[in-house]
Amino acid sequence: DIQMTQSPASLSASLGETVSIECLASEDIYSNLAWYQQKPGKSPQLLIYYASSLQDGVPSRFSGSESGTQYSLEINSLQPEDEGDYFCQQSYKFPLTFGSGTKLEIK
Amino acid sequence: EVQLVESGGGLVKPGSSLKLSCVASGFTFSSYGMHWIRQAPKKGLEWIALIYYDSSNKYYADSVKGRFTISRDNSKNTLYLEMNSLRSEDTAMYYCAKGHYSSYVMDAWGQGASVTVSS
Repeated sequence: DIQMTQSPASLSASLGETVSIECLASEDIYSNLAWYQQKPGKSPQLLIYYASSLQDGVPSRFSGSESGTQYSLEINSLQPEDEGDYFCQQSYKFPLTFGSGTKLEIK
Repeated sequence: EVQLVESGGGLVKPGSSLKLSCVASGFTFSSYGMHWIRQAPKKGLEWIALIYYDSSNKYYADSVKGRFTISRDNSKNTLYLEMNSLRSEDTAMYYCAKGHYSSYVMDAWGQGASVTVSS
């Protein structure tokens, strides 16, 4: 199975700041990487697919990038509604696998 | 607007069976693959199964292979997950999710159905 190592496990940032979350794939997944946001008590929502394609309706302050097997989610100009958990997921090979998640707190 | 509504969760004893349903609306159900994903309490996400739009292909996580069966009825816009030989480690919130048109990602999720396996 493809392992997705996500970091950091948690982070705290202030309104207006920029943060970055990373996922390292255990093998090449050829940009088949998605990011999800899960707000407290809610189900996850797709933010980005194919490493950098923004899902319809997602604010442009969210962006994704890649470098080899390392994938990053960047959130610019943090807003209060950005607080929640973030997960990466590889969609290259079955079984589909998720990262362990990053809890983002807005100070 | 895409809506996915799960039902059928509950408290069951180890070794028993349960069948979850997910009724879809707001999109052409018969044109999209559908997934089940679960999340144990305070834990991360675990993909469980995928069924193609026409049921021609099904994929499972090793943790549920041979015990769980994914199916669908396109005439009823409904996705199912039949769970047998349930274990305590199957305790989780179970989400159904609509597959993306071009990738094995999930672009809409239901609110979840809670399954607790305990004696």
